Parts: sequence; structure tokens; C-alpha cells
Amino acid sequence: EPEVTQTPSHQVTQMGQEVILRCVPISNHLYFYWYRQILGQKVEFLVSFYNNEISEKSEIFDDQFSVERPDGSNFTLKIRSTKLEDSAMYFCASGGAQLFFGEGSRLTVL
Amino acid sequence: KNEVEQSPQNLTAQEGEFITINCSYSVGISALHWLQQHPGGGIVSLFMLSSGKKKHGRLIATINIQEKHSSLHITASHPRDSAVYICAVMKTSYDKVIFGPGTSLSVIP
Repeated sequence: EPEVTQTPSHQVTQMGQEVILRCVPISNHLYFYWYRQILGQKVEFLVSFYNNEISEKSEIFDDQFSVERPDGSNFTLKIRSTKLEDSAMYFCASGGAQLFFGEGSRLTVL
Repeated sequence: KNEVEQSPQNLTAQEGEFITINCSYSVGISALHWLQQHPGGGIVSLFMLSSGKKKHGRLIATINIQEKHSSLHITASHPRDSAVYICAVMKTSYDKVIFGPGTSLSVIP
């Protein structure tokens, strides 16, 4: 069964550092998404990406965040100048009507 | 008011019990997803519904588009069903998925 893969599974970084989270979505999917879940809270939508550009973004997705599909397969989320409150699980998903989630990348900002 | 709400927030059941988790939403949707999140954090899609009813093993999901309501039923519950169950709606443009707060289910042997 096709799957969405995410790397790294866990990253620890110092406050102020840049982090890149990577996702390999399912190859024939058209929509790609990033979500965030702070520990103990509900999953939150960050951004959707379609046709090589951002389709919609939430109020959380400010200038600190960016997404790219640099090589036609990977889908990356970059977080610049990380803050303590960026510590969360970040999920990538691909699909459209049907969603397939990656296992998540846990980011810990110290 | 949240666009997607679930009830109950927490649920404890004895093994073998029939379980119902409810979801109501207030936006126009193209599809509704029921997701399962285990303590390790990974999310698995259980169902995608746009109308009617779907069944997979002991799980049944229904949706009433007119009433903007969906239910997830688990028959003959088992401790391995213990997880957080999340209702998520995809808005009509496919651009955005809005997640409910989740229902934490614990099934006791």
C-alpha cells in the first residue's frame, strides 16, 4: 500500500535555529498538506499546496514558515528561527478527497 | 464556536460494549474523515465519507449531510481500540481540512 513518509522522526533544536522537515507524499497525489499538533492539543491545519504553490494557509502559517517542493517528489516545511512554542508533532498528508498521513516528525525546541 | 465538534470528549467502555462517537460541523464540506490516533502519535485514516454509511470490520461510520452530523460506531469493542478518534472535515475546495478536538477512548478488559 502506498504511504507518505516523513523525516526526521524526531528533531531536537536550539531556539533560533532553522529546521527543515521533509515529506515524500504519494506520487500521483495532487494536494499536499502540513498539520501541527502541540502536545495534548488538537491537530491544526498549517498549509495546503497544490500545483506547486500554496493553496491555503492558516493564521499559524506566518512568515516564519515556508513550504517547497524542490524536486517534484519531496515536500518540505521550513521553520525559520524556531521558538519554544514550535515544539510539536508535524504531520504531512497527501491526497485530495482521501487523505494519507505520514507518521509525523516530532520537533523539540530547547 | 468551533467549526467541528465532537462528543463525548472522553469515553471509557468495558470490552465488548457498543461505542458511538459523534461529530457535528458547521461548514460546507466535500468529505468527512474519521481518523484514529494511537498514543505513539501516528494518524490513520479509518473512513472517508461523503454520504451514507461505510463499514470496515467492527467499525461503522455514517453521515447525514443535511444535518451536518456523522457518527462512528465500534461494535464489540476491544482494548486495542483504545485511541483518540478524530473527526476531520474537508472543505468543498479540498484546500483545507478542519479537525475536531478528538474523542479519547479507553476500552477496559
